[in-house]
Amino acid sequence: DAKTTQPNSMESNEEEPVHLPCNHSTISGTDYIHWYRQLPSQGPEYVIHGLTSNVNNRMASLAIAEDRKSSTLILHRATLRDAAVYYCILRSQQGAQKLVFGQGTRLTINP
Amino acid sequence: EPEVTQTPSHQVTQMGQEVILRCVPISNHLYFYWYRQILGQKVEFLVSFYNNEISEKSEIFDDQFSVERPDGSNFTLKIRSTKLEDSAMYFCASRLIEQYFGPGTRLTVT
Repeated sequence: DAKTTQPNSMESNEEEPVHLPCNHSTISGTDYIHWYRQLPSQGPEYVIHGLTSNVNNRMASLAIAEDRKSSTLILHRATLRDAAVYYCILRSQQGAQKLVFGQGTRLTINP
Repeated sequence: EPEVTQTPSHQVTQMGQEVILRCVPISNHLYFYWYRQILGQKVEFLVSFYNNEISEKSEIFDDQFSVERPDGSNFTLKIRSTKLEDSAMYFCASRLIEQYFGPGTRLTVT
């Protein structure tokens, strides 16, 4: 399984944008980049995914580098409810398509 | 919005006892998964299930574990003889395209 590297923790202020980086230099051509988050005492929650192009949805935006070796999850206006552990995961399109979680980035939002 | 549900939310059992954790996946989903998370550690894949059979399992998923989809709606994880180290949060997930997770069952083995 291809590996991702994320900072252990980040901190931001409420109502400000947050950029969460992820490095995945060993990504293969068919791997999708997925982001999940886990709020305290809850199960992981799907945030967004992409292959090559930048993606937007109601929760966040995903910016993917041209060489696909890194990506950034963007929360446009953080709220206290966005405090969570954010996981960047490469998901193969082959086989069972299981998710392999790393340690993620623990995001703290200051009021 | 449809969601994955899991019961019970918390299960306490004695070492050596059998437990069954239950999940109701989202109704039109075709792929089903179990993951676990030991307190303070990463979420770990256990098993995936598709077309009424296991499609992939991890090293953790040994002979003590089994999964079943008995009636077309429930998806269960059975641990035959629990050990102290089985204490963890167990998450069920289902997908059509993206995986959606349930709230988890906290299993405590004493």
